Amino acid sequence: GQQLNQSPQSMFIQEGEDVSMNCTSSSIFNTWLWYKQDPGEGPVLLIALYKAGELTSNGRLTAQFGITRKDSFLNISASIPSDVGIYFCAALQYNFNKFYFGSGTKLNVKP
Amino acid sequence: DTGVSQNPRHKITKRGQNVTFRCDPISEHNRLYWYRQTLGQGPEFLTYFQNEAQLEKSRLLSDRFSAERPKGSFSTLEIQRTEQGDSAMYLCAGLAGGTNEQFFGPGTRLTVL
Repeated sequence: GQQLNQSPQSMFIQEGEDVSMNCTSSSIFNTWLWYKQDPGEGPVLLIALYKAGELTSNGRLTAQFGITRKDSFLNISASIPSDVGIYFCAALQYNFNKFYFGSGTKLNVKP
Repeated sequence: DTGVSQNPRHKITKRGQNVTFRCDPISEHNRLYWYRQTLGQGPEFLTYFQNEAQLEKSRLLSDRFSAERPKGSFSTLEIQRTEQGDSAMYLCAGLAGGTNEQFFGPGTRLTVL
């Protein structure tokens, strides 16, 4: 099946630093989603992307839908301790019903 | 708050018992998904409903698993004769028509002893 390769697997950063993570695939997708998940909770939708090249912001978060439609990245600027969690990318192919998920990026922020 | 609720939040059961989980999306969610998530992994697709019709089911879903959405509103996921390998977080997600924004419930954590 389709696979989303998400990297890095984990990150340890200092509060105030910027963070970047990405997802790549060999398949083309028409929707990319980015989620944050806290322990014991369901994923929370951060940003949805629908067009190749689209750049969308949500507060300190910015995500882009890659031009090739095979990748996406998420940036977090000026990280704060509450950014700690696991971030997942998800993608959907046109005319298909199944969302694919990356394996997550675990973010740790040192105050 | 996504408006999607799941019950129970936690379930501990003995191997061989049957369990049933419930998902209540908001009324606008004509599409509903079930996922399974194990530690260190992303959610893994189990099945998908459009209104009351179950349109897709993962090959990973054995015949011990069954899901229903009888009136196109709430959904149930039943696991029969549970095995220790069924221990995981079971997540439900809803989507409204015309959007691919998928909103998750808080999940049900299943532990099979």
